[in-house]
Amino acid sequence: GAVVSQHPSRVICKSGTSVKIECRSLDFQATTMFWYRQFPKQSLMLMATSNEGSKATYEQGVEKDKFLINHASLTLSTLTVTSAHPEDSSFYICSAREMGRGTEAFFGQGTRLTVV
Amino acid sequence: AQSVTQLGSHVSVSEGALVLLRCNYSSSVPPYLFWYVQYPNQGLQLLLKYTSAATLVKGINGFEAEFKKSETSFHLTKPSAHMSDAAEYFCAVSERGNNRLAFGKGNQVVVIP
Repeated sequence: GAVVSQHPSRVICKSGTSVKIECRSLDFQATTMFWYRQFPKQSLMLMATSNEGSKATYEQGVEKDKFLINHASLTLSTLTVTSAHPEDSSFYICSAREMGRGTEAFFGQGTRLTVV
Repeated sequence: AQSVTQLGSHVSVSEGALVLLRCNYSSSVPPYLFWYVQYPNQGLQLLLKYTSAATLVKGINGFEAEFKKSETSFHLTKPSAHMSDAAEYFCAVSERGNNRLAFGKGNQVVVIP
């Protein structure tokens, strides 16, 4: 089956620093990747849709300058949390759709970000 | 825009008893519907999906769900709960031709021995 690998699984950083999270499709090509944020005991909130070779589409209320998304290849998208603050602490999950096979999205393992 | 309603954030079920998780959706066009399971500090795993074929969909781990258009529902069931079924379950909808998934708030399932 299709595998999406997300790295790192956990990261702790200091306030004011930036953190990069990687999302890779290991055995398929993904023209579209999605980034979600999940607060404790809550559902997944879509942050942005990332298309290979073009700018990401951000959901309303998500700061594009704070959450930088790059989708430079068909197998890699990155989310950079810039100038992180404690309120950015959360669980971030990416997903990817396989090119040409539309209905199912495959999810990464998630990244637990803690900003201290 | 599509949306999903899952009632009852916590669901307790005895081991061996029926698991029933309710999902109602709203969509302006025929939807695709999904159920995902999430274990602590992990991503989501697809249990099953409806994409316009048979309305009764069978998934992994003994789960199944039935699409009922008249009720705009896609309830998830499993005849006999197992301890390993304790997890968070999310219903999701996407509209055909639209890549975006909308998730329900989730059900935390607790299995009582």
